[in-house]
Amino acid sequence: ETGVTQSPTHLIKTRGQQVTLRCSSQSGHNTVSWYQQALGQGPQFIFQYYREEENGRGNFPPRFSGLQFPNYSSELNVNALELDDSALYLCASSLGSTNTGELFFGEGSRLTVL
Amino acid sequence: GESVGLHLPTLSVQEGDNSIINCAYSNSASDYFIWYKQESGKGPQFIIDIRSNMDKRQGQRVTVLLNKTVKHLSLQIAATQPGDSAVYFCAENGNSGGSNYKLTFGKGTLLTVNP
Repeated sequence: ETGVTQSPTHLIKTRGQQVTLRCSSQSGHNTVSWYQQALGQGPQFIFQYYREEENGRGNFPPRFSGLQFPNYSSELNVNALELDDSALYLCASSLGSTNTGELFFGEGSRLTVL
Repeated sequence: GESVGLHLPTLSVQEGDNSIINCAYSNSASDYFIWYKQESGKGPQFIIDIRSNMDKRQGQRVTVLLNKTVKHLSLQIAATQPGDSAVYFCAENGNSGGSNYKLTFGKGTLLTVNP
């Protein structure tokens, strides 16, 4: 167990809807990163939050947005859902935003868009 | 652009054999590499990492080798066990000296250990 918890574990939405996914980071970790993992693929970086600020973003459109709260938990919001948004969304926490060190992943939220 | 790929998508071994999983990367600026194990229905689990100033690092039953000349990374698992069956990803951080921590993952290799 990594101590990173995500909710919900599974959810089904329809095209055009909006979704919010939540993540609680490991105790003491102030950095949260979000990744999208399509079926049969490796995770792809969406963005990172460090001390409540976005601190880097991957190649995802603006309808993917996020928040980090003072307790370092985080949300991922996706608007105007598309079929291709169906994936496992992984949250990973780390201590600090530096570019080395272990990322601790949660079990993910599996989103299905119909 | 940067990319991380794997030579073999699947690998099947007998219990007790040694396993070798390979990975190629293209970003010469990458200075940190990690291997993750992902079991079905779970998130990636850290196995071992290596920095670019090293060419070999050993853990418990696992060894990572880095060849910067040919941009190649490998994971060796000794005495493979059924519990090692999973998808293995190599990942690299191309943001050398950057302020954020972005990992680029390969597609993964499915390791199946036969009893």
